[in-house]
Amino acid sequence: KAGVTQTPRYLIKTRGQQVTLSCSPISGHRSVSWYQQTPGQGLQFLFEYFSETQRNKGNFPGRFSGRQFSNSRSEMNVSTLELGDSALYLCASSLVVNTGETQYFGPGTRLLVL
Amino acid sequence: AQSVTQLDSQVPVFEEAPVELRCNYSSSVSVYLFWYVQYPNQGLQLLLKYLSGSTLVKGINGFEAEFNKSQTSFHLRKPSVHISDTAEYFCAVSDQRGFGNEKLTFGTGTRLTIIP
Repeated sequence: KAGVTQTPRYLIKTRGQQVTLSCSPISGHRSVSWYQQTPGQGLQFLFEYFSETQRNKGNFPGRFSGRQFSNSRSEMNVSTLELGDSALYLCASSLVVNTGETQYFGPGTRLLVL
Repeated sequence: AQSVTQLDSQVPVFEEAPVELRCNYSSSVSVYLFWYVQYPNQGLQLLLKYLSGSTLVKGINGFEAEFNKSQTSFHLRKPSVHISDTAEYFCAVSDQRGFGNEKLTFGTGTRLTIIP
């Protein structure tokens, strides 16, 4: 079974631009979560989608948004990029049949904002 | 709200020596506990998790962890490390209520370096 895939793997943008990142979950997984990883703040939860609905949201500004499609693929968007948005963005999918399900992570998209 | 503390940011260990990576957590609700490993330029891979039952959990690559409720700890151990274990290790918790509360709260990570 294919793992979680994220595209693109690397991105370079400039301040003020916007960016869209894509995540394809493991087949059959209906939950997709997004995390931001930076050297200063570590791994922080952005949001989680299940059946096209955002169920949980972390403490990030409204410039960070996401959505999930009917095939469970997810996108996240960051508008008006700031230098501090430079990070590794990780997507994780899970089956969500029982509580405590494992989240399977993709390789991430590394975003550099200049 | 939950928080996770990984007491050591870096741990150097000689090859074939044992290692323990420490993790303590704080939570107002019951939590599940996880250890993930991140190799350079890769995502996170689950090593093991504790949901319930036996407090000693065995994972992949020879790792194990012990849940200690009274000390709110979930330390990771391996009896003999290999060069290939060089990576960053993250302890994480999630809310047991689940179903919309599955977000992982991570510690700051421990960089394990194996010395030949």
